[in-house]
Amino acid sequence: EPEVTQTPSHQVTQMGQEVILRCVPISNHLYFYWYRQILGQKVEFLVSFYNNEISEKSEIFDDQFSVERPDGSNFTLKIRSTKLEDSAMYFCASSEFGQVYEQYFGPGTRLTVT
Amino acid sequence: GNSVTQMEGPVTLSEEAFLTINCTYTATGYPSLFWYVQYPGEGLQLLLKATKADDKGSNKGFEATYRKETTSFHLEKGSVQVSDSAVYFCAPDGGSYIPTFGRGTSLIVHP
Repeated sequence: EPEVTQTPSHQVTQMGQEVILRCVPISNHLYFYWYRQILGQKVEFLVSFYNNEISEKSEIFDDQFSVERPDGSNFTLKIRSTKLEDSAMYFCASSEFGQVYEQYFGPGTRLTVT
Repeated sequence: GNSVTQMEGPVTLSEEAFLTINCTYTATGYPSLFWYVQYPGEGLQLLLKATKADDKGSNKGFEATYRKETTSFHLEKGSVQVSDSAVYFCAPDGGSYIPTFGRGTSLIVHP
């Protein structure tokens, strides 16, 4: 069964560094999403992406964040100048055109900022 | 915006017990409602959904009914299995089918 994959599974970085989290969505999906979950808190929407541009973004998704689909398979989340409070689990998801309510999630990348 | 309140976990049950995980939401209008499940080490998966009042979503023995009057979408299963141990998330559609997640409820089922 096709699945969303994410790399790395765990990323440790120092405060102020840039990180890129990578996702490979399901191949025929056209909508892509990033969420995050700070430990012990709720899963929060960050951004959705369709047709090579951002469709929606939350208040969390400020200028520190950017997304890109650099090729036909990868979908990345870049966090510039990481802060301690960026430590969280980051989930990528994708959905099929016409089935946007059914999002398929990856296993997540745990980001630890020290 | 929409929000959701779920019962605190963990919920601990013996195998074959009846499960209820309560969920209430606040929303503008009548959003679609979802339950997602996250098994250990995996991403969230859509478990079931209901798109209008009185709809019942069901999957894998789980059910939830869209109750507009009480703004609730409680998850039930008649007989849980050890393999149902996971974290369950109730999520109203926050717009454009983007779920508004809560903190989730951990379910632990003992043999």
